[in-house]
Amino acid sequence: TQLLEQSPQFLSIQEGENLTVYCNSSSVFSSLQWYRQEPGEGPVLLVTVVTGGEVKKLKRLTFQFGDARKDSSLHITAAQPGDTGLYLCAGRPGGTSYGKLTFGQGTILTVHP
Amino acid sequence: DVKVTQSSRYLVKRTGEKVFLECVQDMDHENMFWYRQDPGLGLRLIYFSYDVKMKEKGDIPEGYSVSREKKERFSLILESASTNQTSMYLCASSGSGPETQYFGPGTRLLVL
Repeated sequence: TQLLEQSPQFLSIQEGENLTVYCNSSSVFSSLQWYRQEPGEGPVLLVTVVTGGEVKKLKRLTFQFGDARKDSSLHITAAQPGDTGLYLCAGRPGGTSYGKLTFGQGTILTVHP
Repeated sequence: DVKVTQSSRYLVKRTGEKVFLECVQDMDHENMFWYRQDPGLGLRLIYFSYDVKMKEKGDIPEGYSVSREKKERFSLILESASTNQTSMYLCASSGSGPETQYFGPGTRLLVL
């Protein structure tokens, strides 16, 4: 099983601060996704990155896929309390069929007003 | 609006009971998945199905079985529940092309 290591596991910051969450592996992934999960709900897809070196922006969120397609990062600028939640990265291993994903352990983000 | 529903949000069962968790999707998706989510461990795949009556083991299938008699419905079965199966169970579905997985709200199972 290919592993995805997410860091940090917990992040507690004040409103307006910037933060970065990392997702690393020794394996290559054909694509990588970031999900956000709020309490009592299932994860919801934020973005999919496919090409090595790709950068995608979603308002204050910036996602990057490493050149070698083994790692990814999520950067949030000027965090707001509404960003609070569990962030999960998920990779699709090369050669995998049927849409199987490998998930990282998750990062619990708390943004204080 | 896409929807994945799970039969229960909370369940309390006793050790040794047989437990059924139901999942229904309305998107005509081929693939369906069952995960369990535990603190610090992320989502771990139990079983998945890529077609009716087809199933494949995930990373942690021991103690579980599944059933997919209809395309829209995927059931997770705990033949004899044990306390170490206390967890959050998440169902997801995805289409044959894009790999976006759509998740249900989860079932929090407590085995006493």
